[in-house]
Amino acid sequence: QSALTQPASVSGSPGQSITISCTGTSSDVGRYNYVSWYQQEPGKAPKLMIFDVSERPSGVSNRFSGSKSGNTASLTISGLQAEDEADYYCASYTTSSTWVFGGGTKLTVL
Amino acid sequence: EVQLVESGGRLVQPGGSLRLSCAASGFTFSDYWMHWVRQAPGKGLVWVSRIFSDGGSDAGSTIYADSVKGRVTISRDNARNILFLQLNSLRAEDTAVYYCVRSRNLNFDHWGQGTLVTVSS
Repeated sequence: QSALTQPASVSGSPGQSITISCTGTSSDVGRYNYVSWYQQEPGKAPKLMIFDVSERPSGVSNRFSGSKSGNTASLTISGLQAEDEADYYCASYTTSSTWVFGGGTKLTVL
Repeated sequence: EVQLVESGGRLVQPGGSLRLSCAASGFTFSDYWMHWVRQAPGKGLVWVSRIFSDGGSDAGSTIYADSVKGRVTISRDNARNILFLQLNSLRAEDTAVYYCVRSRNLNFDHWGQGTLVTVSS
């Protein structure tokens, strides 16, 4: 199972919006709505930010939103803040009953 | 509060074995599927294995990533609220932080802090 494809890095200024893409195949992202996004700060465990493509867990800011079109899912962060600087990973359930992660995207807030 | 606390990671020689543990609290452990996810130093997250909530002996109750299949065994003790990962025939590429993760509806909703396994001579 190959990793989902994410850009290695994205950047934006405070207040701006950024979008991180996550491209898979018809066997994972394109097949199910079980796409999730995780934020990982340096030295810390990942934190669930989005599940089921576009749902937010309680306590996660509504500045975070998710969507999907075909085999590509996207995470959008609006009103960028310095505290959003972290690594972001997407993940998807697959037709093999396994899970696959993206390679990760480093978000830099300029 | 959901808590997942991993232990057992250490330096081990290539070809060696190791058993990782994850103590769960703050939720009904036996109601949830559990997973192990690993992260090599400076690299991304990689899903390793899943076990059903009842941890039964049916063939489908556990599943593994191809990269570890045949060398790794996931198990659980629902009476003691502990998840295990037995790692055998360890290789340098198994060096990673191993996270214990709870899933809910096929999404990973709670993560432990991880335990570091280093495979080196």
